[in-house]
Amino acid sequence: EVQVVESGGGLVQPGRSLRLSCVASGFTFDDYAMHWVRQAPGKGLEWVSSISWNSGSIAYADSVKGRFTISRDNAKNSLYLQMNSLRAEDTAFYYCAKDTYSGTWYSASDYWGQGTLVTVSS
Amino acid sequence: DIQMTQSPSTLSASVGDRVTITCRASQSISPWLAWYQQKPGKAPKLLISQASTLESGVPSRFSGSGSGTDFTLTISSLQPDDFATYYCQQYSSYSRTFGQGTKVEIK
Repeated sequence: EVQVVESGGGLVQPGRSLRLSCVASGFTFDDYAMHWVRQAPGKGLEWVSSISWNSGSIAYADSVKGRFTISRDNAKNSLYLQMNSLRAEDTAFYYCAKDTYSGTWYSASDYWGQGTLVTVSS
Repeated sequence: DIQMTQSPSTLSASVGDRVTITCRASQSISPWLAWYQQKPGKAPKLLISQASTLESGVPSRFSGSGSGTDFTLTISSLQPDDFATYYCQQYSSYSRTFGQGTKVEIK
């Protein structure tokens, strides 16, 4: 069974850092691009960042560029999001998502975790 | 970056109604358009990819169409389980974008 499970959320003060993790199972992790998507409470979905299967291609939303860093450790079936200089507007549920098709950037996301809540507040 | 404009933002409908949601991209994205359904407190669920490919297990009352910049999600006969929020997403570029969402409410 395919599973992706996020962790690492919590309450953090503005300007501080937080690292999210996503552990995957049930599929060959290093064959698939992975993504982070966030959703502020009561708001819509916002794509945050993507990383290809071999970490060769990485992309960020303008809203997080220069502050967030996506990475993966294929040996540990894990995806990460290092979030620095956090702002109140970064408060959201953060979802990890897996692509449907392996070895391509052109794929929608068929499996999502349940999300981890990041609250940025003093 | 590619902008996605989804309409309407809210839709009130009755069980059995035919429902149509539209999504317009700021540039051509064919066929890299997906539709997701999200219920409160849950993760999004992929319904349709590549504009018109129904995902396994998704009821056939859902269909997607369109090309270029204009795309449509249609629910042929709305069922009680379909009341939810729907999002389009383009994945034609390294930077992915979602539409603003359409909440389908009970009329």
